[in-house]
Amino acid sequence: EAQVTQNPRYLITVTGKKLTVTCSQNMNHEYMSWYRQDPGLGLRQIYYSMNVEVTDKGDVPEGYKVSRKEKRNFPLILESPSPNQTSLYFCASSPTLAGGLNTGELFFGEGSRLTVL
Amino acid sequence: QKEVEQNSGPLSVPEGAIASLNCTYSDRGSQSFFWYRQYSGKSPELIMFIYSNGDKEDGRFTAQLNKASQYVSLLIRDSQPSDSATYLCAVNLGKLIFGTGTRLQVFP
Repeated sequence: EAQVTQNPRYLITVTGKKLTVTCSQNMNHEYMSWYRQDPGLGLRQIYYSMNVEVTDKGDVPEGYKVSRKEKRNFPLILESPSPNQTSLYFCASSPTLAGGLNTGELFFGEGSRLTVL
Repeated sequence: QKEVEQNSGPLSVPEGAIASLNCTYSDRGSQSFFWYRQYSGKSPELIMFIYSNGDKEDGRFTAQLNKASQYVSLLIRDSQPSDSATYLCAVNLGKLIFGTGTRLQVFP
C-alpha cells in the first residue's frame, strides 16, 4: 500500500529535550516536505526536499532541522523544543515534474501531534 | 494580503443541497490549483485539481477557475453528511501555498 508513515503520532515532551519525528514514504517520490498546522494559521511549510541531500527552508524553519540521506526518509529534528512548537505536524511527499517542480499532488502522513511543556 | 484566502466558515448546508466553497489568490503567476479535504483529526487528501480556466467535473465535485478574477471555487452537488470536513484551497507556486480552509457542515 502506498503510504507516508510518521512516528510518533503523539508526543508530549518538555522544553529543551531534543526529539526527532520520522517520516518514510514508499512511493519513490523525490519531493518531501514538512508542515505544521495551527488553528487559524492553516498549513505552513517548515522544510522541503527536492531530492536526496537537497533540502531548503520553507516559511517557518526556525527551531527545526531536517536531513535527507535516503530518498524514502525525511526526519524532522527539534534540537531544543519550545512551547511555541506545540502543533500538529504533517509530512508529505509528491512526485515531481521535469525541472523539479512538484506537481502539487501531495500525499500526507497521518500527522504527529506534539505538545511541548 | 494573504496569498490564498478562504472564508473559515462554518458553511452549513442541508443534505442534498449544493455547497459552494470559494478561494481567492494574490499571485497572478499561479498556474495550478488544488482542493484538499481534511476530516477532523485526519490528514488532508487531494480531491480535485484544475489548471485551466473554466469548470472541471469529477462526480459530485466541480472545480471552477477564473484566472482573470483570481478565484477558484469548489461546488459539491447533492451534499452528504459525509462531506462535512474542512476544505483547503492550495495554489502551486513551485511549492504549495495553502489557505486556512473552510469548514463545511452538511446537516441531515
